[in-house]
Amino acid sequence: EPEVTQTPSHQVTQMGQEVILRCVPISNHLYFYWYRQILGQKVEFLVSFYNNEISEKSEIFDDQFSVERPDGSNFTLKIRSTKLEDSAMYFCASRIRDLGTGELFFGEGSRLTVL
Amino acid sequence: DQQVKQNSPSLSVQEGRISILNCDYTNSMFDYFLWYKKYPAEGPTFLISISSIKDKNEDGRFTVFLNKSAKHLSLHIVPSQPGDSAVYFCAASALGFGNEKLTFGTGTRLTIIP
Repeated sequence: EPEVTQTPSHQVTQMGQEVILRCVPISNHLYFYWYRQILGQKVEFLVSFYNNEISEKSEIFDDQFSVERPDGSNFTLKIRSTKLEDSAMYFCASRIRDLGTGELFFGEGSRLTVL
Repeated sequence: DQQVKQNSPSLSVQEGRISILNCDYTNSMFDYFLWYKKYPAEGPTFLISISSIKDKNEDGRFTVFLNKSAKHLSLHIVPSQPGDSAVYFCAASALGFGNEKLTFGTGTRLTIIP
């Protein structure tokens, strides 16, 4: 069964460092997303990406965040200068273009710990 | 901003009985609702969904009910099995309004007692 894969599974970084989280969405999917879950809180939307551009972003997704689809398979989330409050589980998700379902397929997540 | 609320943080149910998980929403633009299941250290896994034009959708042991007037939906699992023990998230989107993002509730931890 096709799945969304994410690397690394866990990253520890110092405050102020740059971090890149990587995702390989399901191959025939066209919409890509990043969500995050701070420990003990709900899963929150960060950004959606379609046709090589951001289609929507939340207020969390400020100038420190960026996304890129550098080739036909990878989808990355970059945090330029990490803060303590960026510590969270980051989930990549994708879906095929079918507005009738809205079903997102999630990866297993990348845990980011900022010290 | 709690547009999607799951007021029960946890629920324990005997194996074989029915599990009922509840979810309320406030945004009347939501027109598509989904339930996700999440095990520790894994991403959310899609379970079942319902469009706002329906009031019920069934898939095997899982049934989702939608009451639009009350802005309430529920997930019924029957019979409950030990493997159903997980955190269940309710999510909503406004697909018909061009808004694909999912807004999640805070989750309900379901424990099935053997």
